[in-house]
Amino acid sequence: SQQGEEDPQALSIQEGENATMNCSYKTSINNLQWYRQNSGRGLVHLILIRSNEREKHSGRLRVTLDTSKKSSSLLITASRAADTASYFCATAAFSGSARQLTFGSGTQLTVLP
Amino acid sequence: DTAVSQTPKYLVTQMGNDKSIKCEQNLGHDTMYWYKQDSKKFLKIMFSYNNKELIINETVPNRFSPKSPDKAHLNLHINSLELGDSAVYFCASGGGQISNGYTFGSGTRLTVV
Repeated sequence: SQQGEEDPQALSIQEGENATMNCSYKTSINNLQWYRQNSGRGLVHLILIRSNEREKHSGRLRVTLDTSKKSSSLLITASRAADTASYFCATAAFSGSARQLTFGSGTQLTVLP
Repeated sequence: DTAVSQTPKYLVTQMGNDKSIKCEQNLGHDTMYWYKQDSKKFLKIMFSYNNKELIINETVPNRFSPKSPDKAHLNLHINSLELGDSAVYFCASGGGQISNGYTFGSGTRLTVV
């Protein structure tokens, strides 16, 4: 079954505005990651937050993690048209000797110029 | 240099055929994965190999058979293709610094007609 659920499914904003996407998950995790997927392309890793961390920043990205609520949010500040893409959260658990990433359903972000 | 490369990028084939998708990574990662992305962009893990050993084998039809000749390669062979196999298949690798997440290939769009 799907581990993560993302909210909203689609988000449309004006350039320069901030975009916030949320992710909820169901089971215990080792870390949570966010990925971006441009249309017709593969996924690109954006940022990782460990289960013992609450907030992390990387450039215009800010990620929060609340393990008590099993939720995370991704904030993109000062959005640009080039940020238009699908954004996925992925939770990492360990299965034997391999890490396993389970993806959410994704948020389609459209940034209008 | 492409870190994770998949071939072919597009594959159109008739029902009942057998086809293979190849994946190679030059990152020195120990673990490789196959994911399937359906038309709603839902990503589901299919297989995971760690140092040529099958670690994760989700519930996929046994028409799908992964093969890892060495830790840099993970190929996917599909027998007796069905219409429902149409999707985008992504290869990914992981290893080294956990903070780097997974590296994905650009995907293979499989269309079964």
